[in-house]
Amino acid sequence: ELKVEQNPLFLSMQEGKNYTIYCNYSTTSDRLYWYRQDPGKSLESLFVLLSNGAVKQEGRLMASLDTKARLSTLHITAAVHDLSATYFCAALNAGGTSYGKLTFGQGTILTVHP
Amino acid sequence: DAGVTQSPTHLIKTRGQQVTLRCSPISGHKSVSWYQQVLGQGPQFIFQYYEKEERGRGNFPDRFSARQFPNYSSELNVNALLLGDSALYLCASSRWEADTQYFGPGTRLTVL
Repeated sequence: ELKVEQNPLFLSMQEGKNYTIYCNYSTTSDRLYWYRQDPGKSLESLFVLLSNGAVKQEGRLMASLDTKARLSTLHITAAVHDLSATYFCAALNAGGTSYGKLTFGQGTILTVHP
Repeated sequence: DAGVTQSPTHLIKTRGQQVTLRCSPISGHKSVSWYQQVLGQGPQFIFQYYEKEERGRGNFPDRFSARQFPNYSSELNVNALLLGDSALYLCASSRWEADTQYFGPGTRLTVL
């Protein structure tokens, strides 16, 4: 069974600093997703990573995927308050039953302080 | 383009009652998935439907059921509600099963 673990679970950052959120998954997965969730809101798709070595960037966020290590990272550059939210990684089942099932990590609660 | 829509937004029920949640996918999307998100946790997969057929079921009791209609909208039914069913229920649509899933605003269910 596919399992996804994120760390850290809580991240308190100062504005302007850099940090990385890590996402490990236990078995082969076709795709790795990063989502953002604001309090009381739904999930916003940030990145989809399809292959080994994939790197995607949007503003101050950059995501990468290492399928051999079963590891994805979400790097935050020069954090700003607007980035405060909960970030989830999710891995797609690689076939078999429930092929389209997304398995989510526990989420990382990011708080950016002035 | 309109995103995924869900109704109702909020719902309060008592233990033992039944509830039906509704979801309309993005136009052109043929797959709908349902997830349960308990406060402080990541979403948990409940069901996926594609072309009106069930394609996946998560580890939820038989009290949970769903269906997809010819217009690709979907309903999630939960019978004999328990306090532990209180959660945000998220619907996601995608063009096919393994494509990127786009989430609706969710239905917040409170069971008293």
